[in-house]
Order: sequence, then structure tokens, then C-alpha cells
Amino acid sequence: DTEVTQTPKHLVMGMTNKKSLKCEQHMGHRAMYWYKQKAKKPPELMFVYSYEKLSINESVPSRFSPECPNSSLLNLHLHALQPEDSALYLCASSQDTASPYEQYFGPGTRLTVT
Amino acid sequence: GEDVEQSLFLSVREGDSSVINCTYTDSSSTYLYWYKQEPGAGLQLLTYIFSNMDMKQDQRLTVLLNKKDKHLSLRIADTQTGDSAIYFCAESYNAGNMLTFGGGTRLMVKP
Repeated sequence: DTEVTQTPKHLVMGMTNKKSLKCEQHMGHRAMYWYKQKAKKPPELMFVYSYEKLSINESVPSRFSPECPNSSLLNLHLHALQPEDSALYLCASSQDTASPYEQYFGPGTRLTVT
Repeated sequence: GEDVEQSLFLSVREGDSSVINCTYTDSSSTYLYWYKQEPGAGLQLLTYIFSNMDMKQDQRLTVLLNKKDKHLSLRIADTQTGDSAIYFCAESYNAGNMLTFGGGTRLMVKP
């Protein structure tokens, strides 16, 4: 099983709303990632979690708050977003971050901020 | 910093071979990947190659790596309409497993 699941599939939120994106994997992977992808662009790394600890934050604004409750789950809490934050948010996982391991991506959550 | 580049667009006829090219600048890249993304979907890992390999074949896919020229290619044999998608090459070179993606090549397969 090489599946990474993400919910919801689509999300529309206002600039004053608080919402959360969820990601789950059951491959026993110890590294999980959040990426942001704008239309016709490659994914851009936002956060990396390694063994449930935040290891990389690519200077992401604080209105995005990641959380890793356990080794299978990764959340992204959203608050006071801007319209330019509208994008496809992709979660990925890999065995760990100690060596280059292939990353498996979920289908993404398409976020629209109005 | 590292940089990965791809041509934007490729159009082929069904049944022909497709060759998607990628160049990278970081000579310390250790793994190089090809991902496929269909419209509105996530990225599907197609194949990858270690930097100490020259070639890898997996069914209809052939990856060629020219480490001297820092050039990576993906050949799809007998291209089908279902292969129409955006193809991203990516490199990973350090502990931390951070991927650097190319800009993506949109493959269009005409019947």
C-alpha cells in the first residue's frame, strides 16, 4: 500500500475562517511533508516533519500552522488566509529524511480563499 | 543554489515514443525522480534513478542519466492518450530529503 490520503478534496474558505487540512499514511513512514502548488507551477515545499517533529519550515507565514499528532497523521491549520493562498496543497511521505527516499504524494486539497 | 529545468511542452502521436528532457545543476544530486501529474490530481511517482546509474528501464519507461552533462531523460514507448499529463523531474541531494522540482513538461498525446 503506497497510499497517502488527504481530506477534504476541495475547500472554500473566507479570510476570517479557521479550517484544517488533513493527511494520513499507513506505510510506516516517519517523514511527512506539506507542499503548496500554484497553477502551472511545480510544488513548493512548506514544511517537513521527521519522527513527528518539525524539522524544516521554509519561511512559511504563521497563518499556516502544521501539526503532527502521531506518525500517521499530518494536519495543516489555516487561519486568516489571503486570496493569494489559493492553491493545491499536497501532502507527501517518505521512509525518513536521513537519506534520499522516494516521496509518495496524496491527491491534494484544492483550497480557494474568498 | 540548485536549479532544475525542463522544456514546457511536448506533443506526440499515439503509438510514438515520447522523450522528456531535464537538466540540473547540482552535481551532488544523489537521486533523480520522474513524477506524473494529471489535471487536478496529486503527483504520481513513476520511477527514479540513483546518480551512479546510467540507465533504468521499467516496462514502457526508460530513464537515461548523463551525469557529466547533468542531463536526465524519460522515454515513454508506445505513448498512449492516457499518458497525457504534466511530467516533473526532481532531484534530491542531501539529508533532509528535500526535493527540487523542474517546472514540468506538459505532454499532449494526439490520437
